[in-house]
Amino acid sequence: SAVISQKPSRDICQRGTSLTIQCQVDSQVTMMFWYRQQPGQSLTLIATANQGSEATYESGFVIDKFPISRPNLTFSTLTVSNMSPEDSSIYLCSVVEHDTEAFFGQGTRLTVV
Amino acid sequence: AQSVSQHNHHVILSEAASLELGCNYSYGGTVNLFWYVQYPGQHLQLLLKYFSGDPLVKGIKGFEAEFIKSKFSFNLRKPSVQWSDTAEYFCAVSPFTDKLIFGTGTRLQVFP
Repeated sequence: SAVISQKPSRDICQRGTSLTIQCQVDSQVTMMFWYRQQPGQSLTLIATANQGSEATYESGFVIDKFPISRPNLTFSTLTVSNMSPEDSSIYLCSVVEHDTEAFFGQGTRLTVV
Repeated sequence: AQSVSQHNHHVILSEAASLELGCNYSYGGTVNLFWYVQYPGQHLQLLLKYFSGDPLVKGIKGFEAEFIKSKFSFNLRKPSVQWSDTAEYFCAVSPFTDKLIFGTGTRLQVFP
């Protein structure tokens, strides 16, 4: 099973600033996924990141706000730009192995003040 | 739009009680179905999954789930819970083999 490491595990940021979250996987994967879990809510897919192409964003999420990099098959970053308190959430990186099972990182707990 | 509903937001049980967590989804096509668990301070882990075949699937730690196609349901069950089952449980649906659509989660607290 894939092992996913996310950094940072948590952060407190000032509004208007940006935070970049890193996701490292211990194996090569085609697609990586970024989810958001707002307080008291479900996990929502932000975007799918493929190596060598632009990320595909879900409805309600845009590249200017959540730029994503995918420089190789084991690494991706998600940036939360121009943050506001509404961006306070847990952000999770995920990969799918064997076309069936999704694995998740431990998440990044972001608080915007 | 595709959605997943979990009816129980917070469940409190005593050890040895039986558990059933409801999950319904709205999607007309073929789906893969999952239950994930998040223990306190840990990351999401797969509890069990259904792709096809026997609609009663068994997962880890004594959990099972039954897929009822006519009801668009995938309820999670365990005959006798333990204190260590205290966690948050998420039902998820994948209309394709990659994206997951999650329910809102059910927080389970088990008291000794």
